[in-house]
Amino acid sequence: GQQLNQSPQSMFIQEGEDVSMNCTSSSIFNTWLWYKQDPGEGPVLLIALYKAGELTSNGRLTAQFGITRKDSFLNISASIPSDVGIYFCAGYETSGSRLTFGEGTQLTVNP
Amino acid sequence: ETGVTQSPTHLIKTRGQQVTLRCSSQSGHNTVSWYQQALGQGPQFIFQYYREEENGRGNFPPRFSGLQFPNYSSELNVNALELDDSALYLCASSSNRGFGAKNIQYFGAGTRLSVL
Repeated sequence: GQQLNQSPQSMFIQEGEDVSMNCTSSSIFNTWLWYKQDPGEGPVLLIALYKAGELTSNGRLTAQFGITRKDSFLNISASIPSDVGIYFCAGYETSGSRLTFGEGTQLTVNP
Repeated sequence: ETGVTQSPTHLIKTRGQQVTLRCSSQSGHNTVSWYQQALGQGPQFIFQYYREEENGRGNFPPRFSGLQFPNYSSELNVNALELDDSALYLCASSSNRGFGAKNIQYFGAGTRLSVL
């Protein structure tokens, strides 16, 4: 089935640094979502994007819906230790009910 | 706290056995989706239930089946368990049929299934 290509697979950064991760698809998506998953928990929604070109912020997090509708990125500014976790992009294609996920980006923040 | 609850939290089964996982959806949500998340991977869509009927299915064999009840809670049943079925099973609820925009899925904490 459709897969989202998410990169990087992992990141090791120092507290205070900014982080950027992205997601690409071979087909058009009409909704992009970014989730964070902590160990032993389910994914928690961070940001939802509904329109091509849309730029949305949630605190230190900013995400954009690519104008081609085939990509999205997530930026985290001034990282803190509690940002540690796995970040997933996910989206809905133009038709269908299934949410397709990327493989995740494992973020480690060193104090 | 999403309001989506799953039970049990952990389960150990042996190959060939059958298992039933349960999910209570968030208040006001009428759609439940199930996902399988293998270690180190993103969740993979199994199927979705809307108003007690299957509404979309991923690439999973028929031994994966489900139910949705009038109160919108749901069960995932897996027959003839295989070792590769070991994974975190996630349930997500949402408030509409799941076609595209503004349909946000809220996830439970999952059931960790180990097949020995």
